[in-house]
Amino acid sequence: KQEVTQIPAALSVPEGENLVLNCSFTDSAIYNLQWFRQDPGKGLTSLLLIQSSQREQTSGRLNASLDKSSGRSTLYIAASQPGDSATYLCAVSGSWGNQFYFGTGTSLTVIP
Amino acid sequence: DAGVIQSPRHEVTEMGQEVTLRCKPISGHNSLFWYRQTMMRGLELLIYFNNNVPIDDSGMPEDRFSAKMPNASFSTLKIQPSEPRDSAVYFCASSLALSGTGNQPQHFGDGTRLSIL
Repeated sequence: KQEVTQIPAALSVPEGENLVLNCSFTDSAIYNLQWFRQDPGKGLTSLLLIQSSQREQTSGRLNASLDKSSGRSTLYIAASQPGDSATYLCAVSGSWGNQFYFGTGTSLTVIP
Repeated sequence: DAGVIQSPRHEVTEMGQEVTLRCKPISGHNSLFWYRQTMMRGLELLIYFNNNVPIDDSGMPEDRFSAKMPNASFSTLKIQPSEPRDSAVYFCASSLALSGTGNQPQHFGDGTRLSIL
C-alpha cells in the first residue's frame, strides 16, 4: 500500500520568508501528485497538480517539484504572507488503483 | 462557477439514528469521491463513482455505510445505524475524469462535520 509522509508536521515562519514543504511517497508508480491547502473548517483547495512525466508546476508564488524516482515532492512558497497560513496536504494517485492517497499534512503559520 | 456543494454542514445526532449526507458535484464532472477525515487517520477514500457507477467501495468501513449516485448531479452517503466512532468530517469531491489516470484535479466541498452522541 502507498504511504505518503509529510515533514514537518507543523511549521511557523515570519512573514516574507521563503519556505519549503516536503512530501514523500513509497511507491514511485504514480500517475500524478496534487498539492492542496485546507483552511480550518473548510474543504481542500487544489493548488497544483503535477503529472508523473512533469518535473514541476508553478502558480504565482507557489512552485511544486516532483522527483518520481526518489519518491519526493516539494512545495516552495515564496515571500510568505499571513494569508498562507493553512494546512498543506499532498496526495498521489497511481497504478494501484484510481484513488488518491493523502499525506497527513503540514500545518503552516506565517507570523505577521 | 458553483463548487461542490455538500449538505448539511453540521450534523449532530444520537447513536443508532440514520444519517444521510448529500453532495452536488460540479456540473459536467463525471467522477465523484467520498472521503472521511479524522485526526487519527487523516483523509481516507470511502468510495468513488465514475459516470454514476460505483467503481471502488473498498474503503467503506462497514455494511452500515452505503452510497448512491442516482444521477450526475447528486450523491448520498448514508450511515445506518450510526455509531459514535463514525464522528468525523465527510468530504465529497468531483473531477472531470478519474483522477488516477487523467490530468484533472479533484475539487472538494466544504464537508459535513458529523457528531454522533
